[in-house]
Order: sequence, then C-alpha cells, then structure tokens
Amino acid sequence: DAGVIQSPRHEVTEMGQEVTLRCKPISGHDYLFWYRQTMMRGLELLIYFNNNVPIDDSGMPEDRFSAKMPNASFSTLKIQPSEPRDSAVYFCASSRRGQDSNQPQHFGDGTRLSIL
Amino acid sequence: DQQVKQNSPSLSVQEGRISILNCDYTNSMFDYFLWYKKYPAEGPTFLISISSIKDKNEDGRFTVFLNKSAKHLSLHIVPSQPGDSAVYFCAAAGTYKYIFGTGTRLKVLA
Repeated sequence: DAGVIQSPRHEVTEMGQEVTLRCKPISGHDYLFWYRQTMMRGLELLIYFNNNVPIDDSGMPEDRFSAKMPNASFSTLKIQPSEPRDSAVYFCASSRRGQDSNQPQHFGDGTRLSIL
Repeated sequence: DQQVKQNSPSLSVQEGRISILNCDYTNSMFDYFLWYKKYPAEGPTFLISISSIKDKNEDGRFTVFLNKSAKHLSLHIVPSQPGDSAVYFCAAAGTYKYIFGTGTRLKVLA
C-alpha cells in the first residue's frame, strides 16, 4: 500500500515568495493533518481536515498560512508571503479516525523548507 | 506552554541494555498516549500506544508505562539494538489537540 506522499521533498526559496506544499493521503483515510517540526517546538499541529472539511486551524501561525483539501486524495499548505522563520520541516499525516482516538496517524516523509 | 514534555533531548545506551525514554504531560484529559519513532529524512512512524485507563502495554521489546498520578509515561526498549537509534516522540491524544513532545534522540552503541 502506498503511504502518505508529500511533494516537494525539499524547497528553497527567497523571502516573500509563495510556497505550496502538497500531500496525498492514504486512500480510505478520512482525516488529514498538517504538522510543522522545529527544534524548539517539536511537532506542532497546524490544521486538520475531516472528510475534506477543515476542523481545527487554530495551530496555523498567521494569515500568511492557508490550507485546502479540494478532494479526498489531495491537500495543499500554502505560505504567502514566506519569511525566513517559516523554515522548518512540514509533515502531512492521515488516519482513519480522529486525533482524539487511539488510531495512529501515518506520516509522509516531509518537506524541508528553507526560506532565504 | 508545552503540555507534553520530553526533558531529555538525547540518550546513549549500549547495545543489549535497556533504553528508557521519558515523557511528562500536564493535562489529565488525555485519553491515549502514543510513541513514534523517527529516522532522519523520514516521517515519524507509530510504535506503541497506551490507553489512559491502563498502566502498561507491551509489544515485543517495547513496553510503555503510564503513571497517571505523576502525569508521566515512559518507553522501555529491551534489549536495545543499533537499529533503534532514532528520535522518539511521545504524543498525547484526547479531547484537546493531539500534542507531541519535542523528541529524544536515542543512540544505541554497538
């Protein structure tokens, strides 16, 4: 079975540019999560979707961040305009049930984002 | 304000010995606790979990202990193997957000 697929694996861009990260969840999973990993804060939940609908976006740091899930097999996380402090590894994960259950989340391999 | 804390950023253990990774939390409302393992350039992978109504769960070489009164959980790996070298994250799930700790880097020395 294919796992969660993220693209690109690495992104280097200049401050002020728009960045779009992509995620394809595991087929049949109805929950999708976006996380950001930094040394200081570890893995932070940014937003999650249930059946393509955003449920909790309180972790989204600023209005510069937005996420969409137009269908069950695709989601994007967009940063516009990007800033150096956005540099981090961004993970997408999916699961069959919600985050407050014991169902483990399956993670993609992440996108390493560097904003110069 | 970190609700889930892993106070040891790193740990080194000799092969064959026991590895003990610790995690503390502040919110009594969490229903489950999970451990994930992460290798470089890969996403975290689920390792083992425990319900808040239990105090121990075992899966092969991995055992998770939960002390609710102390709001503390630990992961024991026995015996430790070089392939266990990775970053380990604990996570808490419940009514509130699914929250991860900052991770502990385990190095198993051959």
